[in-house]
Amino acid sequence: DQQVKQNSPSLSVQEGRISILNCDYTNSMFDYFLWYKKYPAEGPTFLISISSIKDKNEDGRFTVFLNKSAKHLSLHIVPSQPGDSAVYFCAAPRIQGAQKLVFGQGTRLTINP
Amino acid sequence: DVKVTQSSRYLVKRTGEKVFLECVQDMDHENMFWYRQDPGLGLRLIYFSYDVKMKEKGDIPEGYSVSREKKERFSLILESASTNQTSMYLCASSLSTGGNEKLFFGSGTQLSVL
Repeated sequence: DQQVKQNSPSLSVQEGRISILNCDYTNSMFDYFLWYKKYPAEGPTFLISISSIKDKNEDGRFTVFLNKSAKHLSLHIVPSQPGDSAVYFCAAPRIQGAQKLVFGQGTRLTINP
Repeated sequence: DVKVTQSSRYLVKRTGEKVFLECVQDMDHENMFWYRQDPGLGLRLIYFSYDVKMKEKGDIPEGYSVSREKKERFSLILESASTNQTSMYLCASSLSTGGNEKLFFGSGTQLSVL
C-alpha cells in the first residue's frame, strides 16, 4: 500500500521558471511531511519540512504547501536553477514523532538552461 | 556535519553468497536505518534500530538481517543473495528525541547480484 504517492516520475522546467512537485498521501494520521533531494551517486539530503498545523513553510527559494483536506502537498522552487536538477522525494513519519519514514516514488526534476 | 559512511560504493556478488553491507555514523545517533531504493518504488525501509542490539523489521525484511553491536555501526546482511536484491542500499541515522528529527543518509551502496 503506497501511502505516499508522487505520480509524476519526471518533470522538466526552464531555468528561472517555477518548478512544482506534487505529492499525495492516503493516511490522514500523517501530521508531518518532509522533502528530500537526491543527486546521483549521493544519499538523499533533507530539504524542507512542514507540520500539519501549518499550510505553508518557506525556506529561501523553496516553499512547501499542505492541503490537508485534499491530502496533498506540493514543493515550489522559484526561480529554478540548474543545480536543482535532482530526484525529489516526499516522505512522512508513519508514527507520530518517529523517524521511520514512508517515502514516495520520487520525481526526477530536470532544469533546462 | 553528520557523516554517515557506507563501506562500499559498488558491490558485485553472485547468487547465494552471503553479503555484508556496513554503515558507520559519527554523531552518536541512537537511530539507524537501512533502506533500499528502486526505480518507481522510492525508498523502502528494510530494518530499523533504535539502540545497540535492538532492531525492528521495516516493510521488506525478507531475505535480510541486521546487526548492531556498537552504537555507531549498523550492518545489513543478505543471508543468501538473490538477483531481486540488486538495488541501491542506503543507510541513515537520526537522533532519538521523540520529535520529527530528520534522517541523515550515507552515499549508498549499489549492489549487483549476478
